[in-house]
Amino acid sequence: QSALTQPPSASGSPGQSVTISCTGASSDIGRYNYVSWYQQHPGKAPKLIIYDATKRPSGVPDRFSGSKSGNTASLTVSGLQAEDEADYYCSAFGGGNNWLFGGGTKLTVL
Amino acid sequence: EVQLVESGGGLVQPGGSLRLSCAGSGFTFSIYWMHWVRQAPGKGLVWVSLIHPDGSGTDYADSVKGRFTMSRDNAKNTLYLQMNSLRAEDTAVYYCARGLRGTSGFGDYWGQGTLVSVSS
Repeated sequence: QSALTQPPSASGSPGQSVTISCTGASSDIGRYNYVSWYQQHPGKAPKLIIYDATKRPSGVPDRFSGSKSGNTASLTVSGLQAEDEADYYCSAFGGGNNWLFGGGTKLTVL
Repeated sequence: EVQLVESGGGLVQPGGSLRLSCAGSGFTFSIYWMHWVRQAPGKGLVWVSLIHPDGSGTDYADSVKGRFTMSRDNAKNTLYLQMNSLRAEDTAVYYCARGLRGTSGFGDYWGQGTLVSVSS
């Protein structure tokens, strides 16, 4: 059982927006802003797309945005494109030098 | 160009040992926290361990604590993961990932992964 809870799947049509949630606890997401999101295509290494809950690394399109409220973080992908079809994982600092991952969400572009 | 290249994976029997390496290049290796993350076949990402930039501190997921040891040689720009008492559930692709500068978090760069299979 993953420490952070994500929906197993999400979907949207090209051009639409989709939001993926990541629910933790008051001891991790609720306490720290150290929430990251990763995109992983099949057979590839993960790619960082959001860090510190809302920040985008250089080179990541602004179609990807992150937010946080209470114990839940969210990733929104706007203007869905075919290449956004991938697995998405959230990660959060759990305190005491420990890091947690969500179980992952498979995003399908219809 | 920043690169992380893992090596050392392979097939090992339950109870056996293996040492993974992660060679960094294209950046000042010695100033970054480093992490190991694993992914069992068809499953999600799992954080394994981290190490301080100078190697003075490490921490581990409960599932590997006491069996895995993370270390680094900054003169060689190389990270290590010594894995002992391996179990079938340790079977996974192991990735090394760079820590972020100026904040906590990791994964602005990842290696390509190395597969560890634990089976008799």
